Amino acid sequence: NAGVTQTPKFRVLKTGQSMTLLCAQDMNHEYMYWYRQDPGMGLRLIHYSVGEGTTAKGEVPDGYNVSRLKKQNFLLGLESAAPSQTSVYFCASSLWGNTEAFFGQGTRLTVV
Amino acid sequence: SQQGEEDPQALSIQEGENATMNCSYKTSINNLQWYRQNSGRGLVHLILIRSNEREKHSGRLRVTLDTSKKSSSLLITASRAADTASYFCATSYSSASKIIFGSGTRLSIRP
Repeated sequence: NAGVTQTPKFRVLKTGQSMTLLCAQDMNHEYMYWYRQDPGMGLRLIHYSVGEGTTAKGEVPDGYNVSRLKKQNFLLGLESAAPSQTSVYFCASSLWGNTEAFFGQGTRLTVV
Repeated sequence: SQQGEEDPQALSIQEGENATMNCSYKTSINNLQWYRQNSGRGLVHLILIRSNEREKHSGRLRVTLDTSKKSSSLLITASRAADTASYFCATSYSSASKIIFGSGTRLSIRP
């Protein structure tokens, strides 16, 4: 039972490049989330999904897009990376919106 | 925003002492959760308290919730070096809502 798995763990991008972060969960959870964490700060919600085929904006959605084509996967895309998107990205899943969230180990993204 | 705000931002105590962290939030909630994050790692769930509960225990952890003051506290008793981490509160205001995290408290345990 792997829980929540994020791919990749580290990535360096040049300004303007695009990339996709993959999150996979094997717990049959309905809800999935993408957060970013900047140094010394808490987690800010980027986008989330309440079920397969659904997505919704969080607190800081600009510059990101997401898709949830399969229940177990939640993809986060950066179409044109900017230095301000340098951060650690965490994916999480929960059975419902008010239940315990399980986190992946994070993706450290640097945009130069 | 329903985001929680933790207080203090940083806390340093001697091993064996108790540590208390507080969380305040802005809107009515369905439940409140506390998580721990070790440096460079993902968050780990510690405890969940529902809006109709006032106190909950789990091992050395004690969580209280005061919905009239829109605040919660996390008490860690008999602290250990392994408790050194950042602690976050997280709120959701209904069973269908997202989970929003606060800014966290960095706890350091001195040997």
